[in-house]
Amino acid sequence: AQSVAQPEDQVNVAEGNPLTVKCTYSVSGNPYLFWYVQYPNRGLQFLLKYITGDNLVKGSYGFEAEFNKSQTSFHLKKPSALVSDSALYFCAVRFKRGSQGNLIFGKGTKLSVKP
Amino acid sequence: GAVVSQHPSRVICKSGTSVKIECRSLDFQATTMFWYRQFPKKSLMLMATSNEGSKATYEQGVEKDKFLINHASLTLSTLTVTSAHPEDSSFYICSACETGLNTEAFFGQGTRLTVV
Repeated sequence: AQSVAQPEDQVNVAEGNPLTVKCTYSVSGNPYLFWYVQYPNRGLQFLLKYITGDNLVKGSYGFEAEFNKSQTSFHLKKPSALVSDSALYFCAVRFKRGSQGNLIFGKGTKLSVKP
Repeated sequence: GAVVSQHPSRVICKSGTSVKIECRSLDFQATTMFWYRQFPKKSLMLMATSNEGSKATYEQGVEKDKFLINHASLTLSTLTVTSAHPEDSSFYICSACETGLNTEAFFGQGTRLTVV
């Protein structure tokens, strides 16, 4: 079955330090992978996506993610965390199902950046 | 990025009544729209996927007669919660995509439904 896993419920980082939010996936065929961020009581905002090509994808707000096919991972990274990065982060995978593409999410990881 | 407008942002209704939530793509044609339900501190649960002009595909465990989805045009999808109960209280989020699996989804701002 197609699935996305985010093994950490919460990640705590000090401001200025690098951050990593982990994501692994299980999809038959080529995966289309996405990261989204959600601020309290808001919808989700698109950060970045991997479709094909370069394994390192750069996105909004200084975030990047590395696609690793052998480890079936798509970890989100940022070299230097900001307090304003504190939010809920979701990894997602899109795949073909029937005549429609489906879009499923990991359970989310709460990122807390302390000053 | 593209804009998806979801309305209302908050609604309080009485048990037994129906509530309609609208999701509009403002600057692109949304061939596919997704409806999610989010519980506190939980991930998004996909409720259903709809393509414009066709019936929605509901996820297992989601009652299609209770959660009516209409995707009548390329810019509008609606979710109607019929005969609402307090356990239907939740945060509902819609998202919309253009054609193609490689396109990112854009999300509405969500609707906080409270059934009293």
